[in-house]
Amino acid sequence: GDSVTQMEGPVTLSEEAFLTINCTYTATGYPSLFWYVQYPGEGLQLLLKATKADDKGSNKGFEATYRKETTSFHLEKGSVQVSDSAVYFCALYSGNTPLVFGKGTRLSVIA
Amino acid sequence: DSGVTQTPKHLITATGQRVTLRCSPRSGDLSVYWYQQSLDQGLQFLIHYYNGEERAKGNILERFSAQQFPDLHSELNLSSLELGDSALYFCASSVDAGSPYGYTFGSGTRLTVV
Repeated sequence: GDSVTQMEGPVTLSEEAFLTINCTYTATGYPSLFWYVQYPGEGLQLLLKATKADDKGSNKGFEATYRKETTSFHLEKGSVQVSDSAVYFCALYSGNTPLVFGKGTRLSVIA
Repeated sequence: DSGVTQTPKHLITATGQRVTLRCSPRSGDLSVYWYQQSLDQGLQFLIHYYNGEERAKGNILERFSAQQFPDLHSELNLSSLELGDSALYFCASSVDAGSPYGYTFGSGTRLTVV
């Protein structure tokens, strides 16, 4: 079945550091891919998405490119801020089942 | 405010009890999804309703049930509660039965079983 694997956390970075959170997927067909963010005490918010291969999703300085050849959708940000501290979830939708999520990666950014 | 409303925000109850969690989807959305978030299991899909009909079931226990009413709000019923049912329960909504554009999530109900 469909599945998402993302890097284990927690990830701790200093402010202004470069961020990469790896995400790979297994799915039939051509899924849509998502990154959601969960700030402390809140629900999940859609951060960015890509619906076809080679698409780049971007929002709030975060980017991820849909790589069909490597079945990956890694999240990147060039310079993180303390306010980016949150849990990040990679997810896919292939049409076969509702959104399938990875286990989440906790990011802590220290000043 | 995402537009998806979940009540209550917090619930503390004893083992063996029954609780009902409520979700109102974003205006215009016909689908409601329920997810359980626990520390060790991440986000687990429980059940999906579209316009009042059950469309998909995930890892939902037999002690759990759900329904979607004509006004499109949904309720998740959890019975014979066990300590392991303590978790965050999220509701999400989307405009149609399958959404390649993502879902809108509520802020969740934190259930603590003591």
